[in-house]
Amino acid sequence: GENVEQHPSTLSVQEGDSAVIKCTYSDSASNYFPWYKQELGKGPQLIIDIRSNVGEKKDQRIAVTLNKTAKHFSLHITETQPEDSAVYFCAASIGDSSYKLIFGSGTRLLVRP
Amino acid sequence: DTAVSQTPKYLVTQMGNDKSIKCEQNLGHDTMYWYKQDSKKFLKIMFSYNNKELIINETVPNRFSPKSPDKAHLNLHINSLELGDSAVYFCASSPSRGGTGGYPNNYGYTFGSGTRLTVV
Repeated sequence: GENVEQHPSTLSVQEGDSAVIKCTYSDSASNYFPWYKQELGKGPQLIIDIRSNVGEKKDQRIAVTLNKTAKHFSLHITETQPEDSAVYFCAASIGDSSYKLIFGSGTRLLVRP
Repeated sequence: DTAVSQTPKYLVTQMGNDKSIKCEQNLGHDTMYWYKQDSKKFLKIMFSYNNKELIINETVPNRFSPKSPDKAHLNLHINSLELGDSAVYFCASSPSRGGTGGYPNNYGYTFGSGTRLTVV
């Protein structure tokens, strides 16, 4: 069945360093790839997304890259800050005819001051 | 505030009881979802409704029954609760896809803040 794998499961970085989280997906028809940030006790919040007709998208310190051939997409956070500490989820749409998103297993990011 | 709101935030109940979780969105979205997040943080879809019509029904025990009285509300009723039902349940909503088959500008889900269900 459809699957999204996410790595690493935990990531610890020093404040100011960059963090990269990687995901792979199995459904070649997937064409929408959002990233969510979940802080403690809260619901996941959309932080950036990318569609299959775009290879890269940037929003201030956050960027997402997509390699459709390899079925990889990644989240890049530069100049990390302690408030970036959270669990991050990638997701991929199931084909082009469904409302369903399949989520990765999450990455717990810790930014050390 | 525009949001997805779900109640209650915490729910502690005994095995065998029946309970409901309510969800409402005022974002004007046409599609609503229920997700279950287990202790390892894994998010798994349970149900989805589009304009009150069930469009996604994953392999979920019959004890779980969603109800959508209108497109702004999606409730989840759980019968005969079991220990394994303990989890955080998230409601979410999203705009419908465009009639041409393309995504609208803001397709992303908006999640509620979750209901932590503990079955004892």
